[in-house]
Amino acid sequence: KAGVTQTPRYLIKTRGQQVTLSCSPISGHRSVSWYQQTPGQGLQFLFEYFSETQRNKGNFPGRFSGRQFSNSRSEMNVSTLELGDSALYLCASSDPGADLMDTQYFGPGTRLTVL
Amino acid sequence: QKEVEQDPGPLSVPEGAIVSLNCTYSNSAFQYFMWYRQYSRKGPELLMYTYSSGNKEDGRFTAQVDKSSKYISLFIRDSQPSDSATYLCAMCSKLTFGKGITLSVRP
Repeated sequence: KAGVTQTPRYLIKTRGQQVTLSCSPISGHRSVSWYQQTPGQGLQFLFEYFSETQRNKGNFPGRFSGRQFSNSRSEMNVSTLELGDSALYLCASSDPGADLMDTQYFGPGTRLTVL
Repeated sequence: QKEVEQDPGPLSVPEGAIVSLNCTYSNSAFQYFMWYRQYSRKGPELLMYTYSSGNKEDGRFTAQVDKSSKYISLFIRDSQPSDSATYLCAMCSKLTFGKGITLSVRP
């Protein structure tokens, strides 16, 4: 099976702009989660979507939003970008019920730089 | 206090060394304990998992869990340059990751 894919891999934006990141999960996986990874804070959970519904949400401001489509593909949007939003954004898919650990299968990430 | 605390890094060791990576946690509800490995420019991937207290071995890697002390460890024997990566501990019921520690194994 093909792994999780994320596009674009690298992105440079300026403050105040908005950005949309895309994620295609492993075929058959209906859960998609998004994480922000920075050297200072590590891996932080943004939100999880399952069957087009947001199931869990982390502690991030409303500028961060997402959605999931009927084919399980997901997008994440960040509006009014701030310098502190520079990070690696990771998407992970999982097959809830396949194992009790909710094993996450990560994509390679999108490196966002905000200038 | 964060639910999961991981030893800060980075960590640099010579090839062949035994490496010990550690995490502590505060939530007694955690039942599954995992280690993810993340190579540069890649996403994390599941390396090992364990459910109960005790040790679990997989080749050069040993995962250890002490539920009474709320402490987990990952030991790497005969470390190789190919082990150079960031290692993140993770736990669930509700999936929670540690910050990660970057390991560098010097040839």
